[in-house]
Amino acid sequence: SQQGEEDPQALSIQEGENATMNCSYKTSINNLQWYRQNSGRGLVHLILIRSNEREKHSGRLRVTLDTSKKSSSLLITASRAADTASYFCATAHNFNKFYFGSGTKLNVKP
Amino acid sequence: EPEVTQTPSHQVTQMGQEVILRCVPISNHLYFYWYRQILGQKVEFLVSFYNNEISEKSEIFDDQFSVERPDGSNFTLKIRSTKLEDSAMYFCASSEGWDPNIQYFGAGTRLSVL
Repeated sequence: SQQGEEDPQALSIQEGENATMNCSYKTSINNLQWYRQNSGRGLVHLILIRSNEREKHSGRLRVTLDTSKKSSSLLITASRAADTASYFCATAHNFNKFYFGSGTKLNVKP
Repeated sequence: EPEVTQTPSHQVTQMGQEVILRCVPISNHLYFYWYRQILGQKVEFLVSFYNNEISEKSEIFDDQFSVERPDGSNFTLKIRSTKLEDSAMYFCASSEGWDPNIQYFGAGTRLSVL
């Protein structure tokens, strides 16, 4: 399978703590994207990192990409209860074919 | 803010029936996608569509499935002869371009096959 796989599957933290989620994939990619899904809703794009980039920031989000290890991490700093959701990495192959991982279910306790 | 809309939000059908799921992508977007998510499982890519033809499709997207852009605004997914295992959330997405291919998702259609 070419699909990304996230770990951990579930993460529970206190508000204010940092949350780190990891994603691994198997084949070469054009870019890797992180999406968020609130229960029963569609996915919302968070951040995109290209295959030639190593790190990217957006607000409280920090994404790293290690193409030699075929892995990425998403760090959410100073988490809030509203960050509670499932987070998915998606790898883009040939720009028009995507594979989503199984997701990390994040629970931020107030 | 522009958004992708999907109708209906919930579709119930009998096994063997045909269903059409409808999507209105964001108006200036050129690339369109369908995904499905079986309850509690990962989001699975079905198909991408550009310039009135399929760009890529997954192994899941067999002859049972078809997509169409019947007019300038709608993008549909047809499932012929539905099976119980087709029960899932179906998400439509669109992107403005292919690089970067940031996708905007609709809220989904829950398909229940009885």
